[in-house]
Formats: sequence, C-alpha cells, structure tokens
Amino acid sequence: DSGVTQTPKHLITATGQRVTLRCSPRSGDLSVYWYQQSLDQGLQFLIHYYNGEERAKGNILERFSAQQFPDLHSELNLSSLELGDSALYFCASSTKGVDTQYFGPGTRLTVL
Amino acid sequence: AQSVSQHNHHVILSEAASLELGCNYSYGGTVNLFWYVQYPGQHLQLLLKYFSGDPLVKGIKGFEAEFIKSKFSFNLRKPSVQWSDTAEYFCAVNAPYGGATNKLIFGTGTLLAVQP
Repeated sequence: DSGVTQTPKHLITATGQRVTLRCSPRSGDLSVYWYQQSLDQGLQFLIHYYNGEERAKGNILERFSAQQFPDLHSELNLSSLELGDSALYFCASSTKGVDTQYFGPGTRLTVL
Repeated sequence: AQSVSQHNHHVILSEAASLELGCNYSYGGTVNLFWYVQYPGQHLQLLLKYFSGDPLVKGIKGFEAEFIKSKFSFNLRKPSVQWSDTAEYFCAVNAPYGGATNKLIFGTGTLLAVQP
C-alpha cells in the first residue's frame, strides 16, 4: 500500500458524459501527478499540481481538467467522454525535494 | 525531449533463469532513473531508483539495476526469477532540474512471463 488513495476503482459511463476522479496523496506530500495508461499510448503524463497550483501539463486533452484543493486532494475531471478515453488513470504523489513518486491503485474508466 | 526505450516488449523465462531487461533514455542532463513493476490488475510499485552515487542499485525482491552513463542505460537484472515475478516492468526517467515539474517519462513496458 503506497498511501495514495483513488476513488472510484472502476467507472463505467457512456459517451458524452462527464466524470470526476479523485486522488488523495500520501500524508505530507504536496505534489500530485496524474497519468493515463492505455494500450495504445502506454503511460502518459497528464498534469502536475503542487500545493494547489498547476505546475505542468502533458498530453492532456482540453476536455480534461484538474485541480488540487486546500486539503491537497486532487480531482481529474473528464468531460464529453469518447470511447478512446477508456483507460486506467493513475495519480501519484511526492514530497517536495524528493523525486520518488508513489502511485495510487488507479481508476479504470470504461466509456461505452 | 526526454524519451525512454525498452527494447524487450515480451519476455518469457522459466523459473530460476536470469533476467535482464534493457532500458535506454535520451536526455543530456542529470536524470533520476526508476524501475516500476505492475503486477496483473494492480498499481505501479517502485522496484528501485537511482539518483546519484553507486551506479549499481539494489531494489526490492532481489532486483538490481546498473546505471551506465556513457550508454544512457539503466538495465534491470535479477539472477533467478520466480513465477511471482510475472508482471509488467516499466523504466522511467525524470529530470530533477528540468523545470517546474518532476514528471515521469515512461518506457513502453516489458511484459515478463515466468513459467513454472
């Protein structure tokens, strides 16, 4: 158990819908990273938040957005869902000055 | 841009065989290197990491990796694999001084199947 929690574990929804994925970092970690794992794209970095502020964006679609709240949990919002958005979404957290990221169990999103 | 290459996509070994998984990265500056393992249906777990110092690093479950700077490589090894090592292995790199983020760049993964 890495100490990073993600909810829900599984999510099945329809095209065009909107979903919210939630991540709680390890106690004391200020950084939250979101990654998408799909069969065709592999593991891709989406976005990084540090202490409530966006630090970097990767291959994140405009239909996707994220935020990190004052209690440091983060949410990834996916809207106008398409079949190709079906994937595993992981979040990871790390401590300032330490470069090791610890991953949560992931949310498996299935878009039908 | 940074990139990571894992040349072996699928590896099949018998128990007790030795394992070496290749990983090469492209980045001219200082990097941190990682190997993560993903067991079937589970999340990514850190196997080992290299930040600096001794280029031979030891991780959990008997795994080790050697950083060879001149070859931009960070190969993963285990002298004797077990059936329980069946999993997907990911090499990853980040650039600690690469700006505002320490995002990880992952390789495509190597699927290891160990036959009993």
